[in-house]
Amino acid sequence: SQQGEEDPQALSIQEGENATMNCSYKTSINNLQWYRQNSGRGLVHLILIRSNEREKHSGRLRVTLDTSKKSSSLLITASRAADTASYFCATDPIYNQGGKLIFGQGTELSVKP
Amino acid sequence: EAQVTQNPRYLITVTGKKLTVTCSQNMNHEYMSWYRQDPGLGLRQIYYSMNVEVTDKGDVPEGYKVSRKEKRNFPLILESPSPNQTSLYFCASSLSPLGEGDPLEQYFGPGTRLTVT
Repeated sequence: SQQGEEDPQALSIQEGENATMNCSYKTSINNLQWYRQNSGRGLVHLILIRSNEREKHSGRLRVTLDTSKKSSSLLITASRAADTASYFCATDPIYNQGGKLIFGQGTELSVKP
Repeated sequence: EAQVTQNPRYLITVTGKKLTVTCSQNMNHEYMSWYRQDPGLGLRQIYYSMNVEVTDKGDVPEGYKVSRKEKRNFPLILESPSPNQTSLYFCASSLSPLGEGDPLEQYFGPGTRLTVT
């Protein structure tokens, strides 16, 4: 089964509000990454947080990681209509075989102007 | 511009007609991988390649072949496509495989939407 489970599956907010997406995973990891996907297009890497980090910022993005709870959250502050997309967490498991990322199901974010 | 390109972007074909989806990266990455994305199933790895002439199966390799004769190219081959291979396909690359040394993100191509009738 997929490593990551994301919550909520869909989120609809107004422009200017903050959006928070959560990700839970099952096994120990080297790092966790968040990706964005615009409808039907390729995934774009947003931010990477290592297992020994607790929080990381990049522009309007804030990611937290709690390895004891095996969970992460992505916060997008002051959202814009252009942030409308699907957001995926992806884990790099400690015992990585094939060098693959394990993706969650994604959260569909809709930001209304 | 650093990028991963895939061709074609869209393809409609019939059952049994061999096809190849090309993938090329210009970043001198060692590691390349193919994923398929299906509703409710997320992204699943099909095949990956650690370097030239080194390929291995991912989670869902049945019905697919790959080759890695050059570092930059990693084509996905469907010898006899079937309707259950209708999906959105992504090629990805990174400088080195995950799990080795410093963590690295993967760069994804724009996707190939394949329909097999």
